[in-house]
Amino acid sequence: KNEVEQSPQNLTAQEGEFITINCSYSVGISALHWLQQHPGGGIVSLFMLSSGKKKHGRLIATINIQEKHSSLHITASHPRDSAVYICAVRSGGSQGNLIFGKGTKLSVKP
Amino acid sequence: NAGVMQNPRHLVRRRGQEARLRCSPMKGHSHVYWYRQLPEEGLKFMVYLQKENIIDESGMPKERFSAEFPKEGPSILRIQQVVRGDSAAYFCASSPPTGTGLLDTGELFFGEGSRLTVL
Repeated sequence: KNEVEQSPQNLTAQEGEFITINCSYSVGISALHWLQQHPGGGIVSLFMLSSGKKKHGRLIATINIQEKHSSLHITASHPRDSAVYICAVRSGGSQGNLIFGKGTKLSVKP
Repeated sequence: NAGVMQNPRHLVRRRGQEARLRCSPMKGHSHVYWYRQLPEEGLKFMVYLQKENIIDESGMPKERFSAEFPKEGPSILRIQQVVRGDSAAYFCASSPPTGTGLLDTGELFFGEGSRLTVL
């Protein structure tokens, strides 16, 4: 079993839909990252959080440390949100020594 | 303010050759991280460097791979005697020095990646 599991693996949505991507982990963590990998391959950091909730524009990330679970929500989804969303955790290692999920491939149809 | 710059974006090598991948961190960042993404697989941490120091190389293969971040110039990931299994996308990320207050959010800034193909 992978230490970081994401669900779903693939997600297709209609423009405007509310989207939720889940991340569960089995190790103790000090931080959790949500990343976005564009179709061209580049990676953008969306959030880093260790507790609670963060919001940036239409994106919201939450984490429940007790349940070892995080969610990434996208409100009013748009085709430009189509990308792979990756959850990664820092677990006892050095800064940047992250354990990555396999990613959730999101496709938003117009 | 330029972001993390990686070059080359694409590199083709024959088996047995050497591959050198370069990463210039964002201005003001002194921490550099390298990650590998094999085809159809997730990202894997390789190495964490600060200027002239390797801090954590627990993810680096023991043979043929090395990394450096000299006092001047970019960080370099070097792969000697490449094999087909080295074909992957190699990403670099950087972050500011720790203890810099508001600048030090723990956020990582990624480059566009270097895609290595070994023939």
